Amino acid sequence: EDQVTQSPEALRLQEGESSSLNCSYTVSGLRGLFWYRQDPGKGPEFLFTLYSAGEEKEKERLKATLTKKESFLHITAPKPEDSATYLCAVRSNNAGNNRKLIWGLGTSLAVNP
Amino acid sequence: KAGVTQTPRYLIKTRGQQVTLSCSPISGHRSVSWYQQTPGQGLQFLFEYFSETQRNKGNFPGRFSGRQFSNSRSEMNVSTLELGDSALYLCASATDQETQYFGPGTRLLVL
Repeated sequence: EDQVTQSPEALRLQEGESSSLNCSYTVSGLRGLFWYRQDPGKGPEFLFTLYSAGEEKEKERLKATLTKKESFLHITAPKPEDSATYLCAVRSNNAGNNRKLIWGLGTSLAVNP
Repeated sequence: KAGVTQTPRYLIKTRGQQVTLSCSPISGHRSVSWYQQTPGQGLQFLFEYFSETQRNKGNFPGRFSGRQFSNSRSEMNVSTLELGDSALYLCASATDQETQYFGPGTRLLVL
């Protein structure tokens, strides 16, 4: 069964303290892996799409990487405004389930000044 | 390009009533998905429409329904509201089964 697990559930960092968030997945053929950021009470904001193992994408202090089993979202020298919930989702090539998007529960990140 | 818009943004209803939420996708996007989000539950998938046809459906009761119009705008309806239906309802659009872009959501409170 297709599955996405994010860890840790919550993470508290000091401003400037770099860290990584993990998204482990089990799917029958990866069509795409997606990272989003969500602020409380708002819709998720798209960050990155990764398609194949070895792919990396960067945006400001964020860098997403992908292997055959997991993805990491690296946050370098975070600032308080990076505080949010980070969501990971995976779409498989499994036509049997109409290629549904499978979501993780997210990692809640708090960055203290 | 304008983003995904959802109306209304906030809604208060009482148990037993019904509600209709609206979503206008990004221009050119033909796929619209709906999600329910409650604290601690993550994003719960309701359904996906593509070119006016329901392509995927989540595990929600039949009280939850949706439709998509020829201009790709979508509506979802919840009949016989229950207290547990209080949530943030999110709509997302995509060109097809690619990156989804979310709207701001509709906050529904059932009293």
